[in-house]
Amino acid sequence: DQQVKQNSPSLSVQEGRISILNCDYTNSMFDYFLWYKKYPAEGPTFLISISSIKDKNEDGRFTVFLNKSAKHLSLHIVPSQPGDSAVYFCAASFMFSGGYNKLIFGAGTRLAVHP
Amino acid sequence: GAGVSQSPSNKVTEKGKDVELRCDPISGHTALYWYRQSLGQGLEFLIYFQGNSAPDKSGLPSDRFSAERTGGSVSTLTIQRTQQEDSAVYLCASSLGLAGGGTQYFGPGTRLLVL
Repeated sequence: DQQVKQNSPSLSVQEGRISILNCDYTNSMFDYFLWYKKYPAEGPTFLISISSIKDKNEDGRFTVFLNKSAKHLSLHIVPSQPGDSAVYFCAASFMFSGGYNKLIFGAGTRLAVHP
Repeated sequence: GAGVSQSPSNKVTEKGKDVELRCDPISGHTALYWYRQSLGQGLEFLIYFQGNSAPDKSGLPSDRFSAERTGGSVSTLTIQRTQQEDSAVYLCASSLGLAGGGTQYFGPGTRLLVL
């Protein structure tokens, strides 16, 4: 059973427009949500995160929105740039009794930003 | 550089052979994680280390998989008697602690192909 779902495997956006990547989760115990970006032949790079006690976090062109009642989060990129073309992974974190965080990843959404 | 490094970057092996994958975490990061990404899939958790101990090995797919960490630093993931379904990208990540959801920083991965 997938606890973190990214239902759109791909997204194509024109340069300068907004990119919206979506993520749904099922476990209400998750306490942090993160977005990672991955270029081909590289490891995922941390992009932005949000605590479950907040509903919005903004960092430059990137904003993450969290809707706990809907168990849904989204990443907004404004304005989109060709260099944003990558695979974006949503991840959810919860703390185990051993005091560590375990990340559960979605399958990823491939974003293509075209001129 | 100061990031997570992994070696080898690519590994081609024959079915039935053993392979060892290495991870050098960011200096000072006490937590270390192994994941794998099969073609078209998200990241699958394998094992977590805190220091030299592994309190969570729940993601290891079979007893052919093992991992160790020495000196609270370098980790080795060993796959014995490799099978074709072991072909994947194996990613290592490290984190400093629990702040910010325990943000994990990834290495570039080792691409394993079992023929």
